[in-house]
Amino acid sequence: AQKITQTQPGMFVQEKEAVTLDCTYDTSDQSYGLFWYKQPSSGEMIFLIYQGSYDEQNATEGRYSLNFQKARKSANLVISASQLGDSAMYFCAMRVVDSNYQLIWGAGTKLIIKP
Amino acid sequence: DAGVIQSPRHEVTEMGQEVTLRCKPISGHDYLFWYRQTMMRGLELLIYFNNNVPIDDSGMPEDRFSAKMPNASFSTLKIQPSEPRDSAVYFCASSLGGGTIYEQYFGPGTRLTVT
Repeated sequence: AQKITQTQPGMFVQEKEAVTLDCTYDTSDQSYGLFWYKQPSSGEMIFLIYQGSYDEQNATEGRYSLNFQKARKSANLVISASQLGDSAMYFCAMRVVDSNYQLIWGAGTKLIIKP
Repeated sequence: DAGVIQSPRHEVTEMGQEVTLRCKPISGHDYLFWYRQTMMRGLELLIYFNNNVPIDDSGMPEDRFSAKMPNASFSTLKIQPSEPRDSAVYFCASSLGGGTIYEQYFGPGTRLTVT
């Protein structure tokens, strides 16, 4: 069965520190995509970063990077030099052929950055 | 690009009334998704379209819900009659393709309250 697990319901981090948000996934597909989204308190869902299952390099987008460990089936999001504006819910999601390419979502992690 | 546009942003209605939510996807995107988000159930996929054709509506909760996509730039989600348990944030999202590599871009959402 296809599944995304985010084990951290909530996290508090000091401003300017790096943050790692955990995501593990389960699929028997060889081809899949992994995505991270940010949902601030205003409610919109913002796409952050994508990692393909065949990508050999970890994806990076500005202060966001994805620590992709295929053998461990983990796709952790790393935010460098956290800012107050990073406070939000963060969702990990996966898209696989077997799910008819629908996004499979984790439960999310609520990140709060402390000044 | 204007992004995904949804209207209205907020809707308050009484039980039994018809509710119509509207969505304009990003130009050139051929996949459109309708989601519902609640605290209890998280983010749920209701239905999605490819090239204006409904592909999977297995997430539509019951016959009171219907969705249409008459052309590539417009979709509606209708609830008739509405019930208090339909209160949620409804998101529309679009993507350039249906494969594992394509991210979905979300609209700002419609917050529906049924009293």
